[in-house]
Amino acid sequence: GNSVTQMEGPVTLSEEAFLTINCTYTATGYPSLFWYVQYPGEGLQLLLKATKADDKGSNKGFEATYRKETTSFHLEKGSVQVSDSAVYFCALRGGGNKLTFGTGTQLKVEL
Amino acid sequence: NAGVTQTPKFQVLKTGQSMTLQCAQDMNHNSMYWYRQDPGMGLRLIYYSASEGTTDKGEVPNGYNVSRLNKREFSLRLESAAPSQTSVYFCASSGTGESLNEKLFFGSGTQLSVL
Repeated sequence: GNSVTQMEGPVTLSEEAFLTINCTYTATGYPSLFWYVQYPGEGLQLLLKATKADDKGSNKGFEATYRKETTSFHLEKGSVQVSDSAVYFCALRGGGNKLTFGTGTQLKVEL
Repeated sequence: NAGVTQTPKFQVLKTGQSMTLQCAQDMNHNSMYWYRQDPGMGLRLIYYSASEGTTDKGEVPNGYNVSRLNKREFSLRLESAAPSQTSVYFCASSGTGESLNEKLFFGSGTQLSVL
C-alpha cells in the first residue's frame, strides 16, 4: 500500500537558518504530493502541492520538488522565521483518492 | 469566515460512555472526512463522505459510526468509548471543484480522553 516516511523531529533552528524536512514515499502509479502545516492549536492547512514528476510546489517561501527517481518530496525554506514554528506533514494522494499522511515533523525556530 | 467548525474542543469520557462529535462546514463542500491524530502515527482516516447521502469506511473505522446529516454537517459517534480511542479528532472538507482529497480544509480538532 501507499506510505509516507518523514524525518523525525523536533527540528530546532535559529531564525534565518535554512530548512530541509525530508519526505519519501511509496506508491503505485503517479501520486499527487502535498505538504500540510499545523500551527499550534489549529487544524492542518495545505501549504503546497505537486501533481506530477519534476513539478515544484511553492508557497510562503517554502518549496518542494516532486522527484520520481528518488521518490522524494523534501520541503525547503531558505530563511525560517519564528512564525514558521509548527508541525509539517507530508502526504500523498494515490489510487482510490485516499490521502496518506506521514507522521509529521515538528519545527521549532528560535531567535 | 468560519470554515470547518468542530464541537466540542475537549472531552473526557469514561470507558463505555457514548458521545457524538459534531462537524459543520460553510463552504458548500461536497466531501467531508473524519481523521484521528495519534503521536507517531500521523493522521488516519476513520470515515469519509464523498457527497451528501454517502459514507465510506476509511483506514480505522472500528468502534465508530458516522452520519452525513446534510451537505453541511458530518457527525462522528462513539457508541462505547474505549481507552484506545483517546486521540485528537479532526474533521475536514474538500471542495466541489477539487478532485476528491485534493485540498482539505480542517477544523481545529477535538481532544478526547477516555479513562
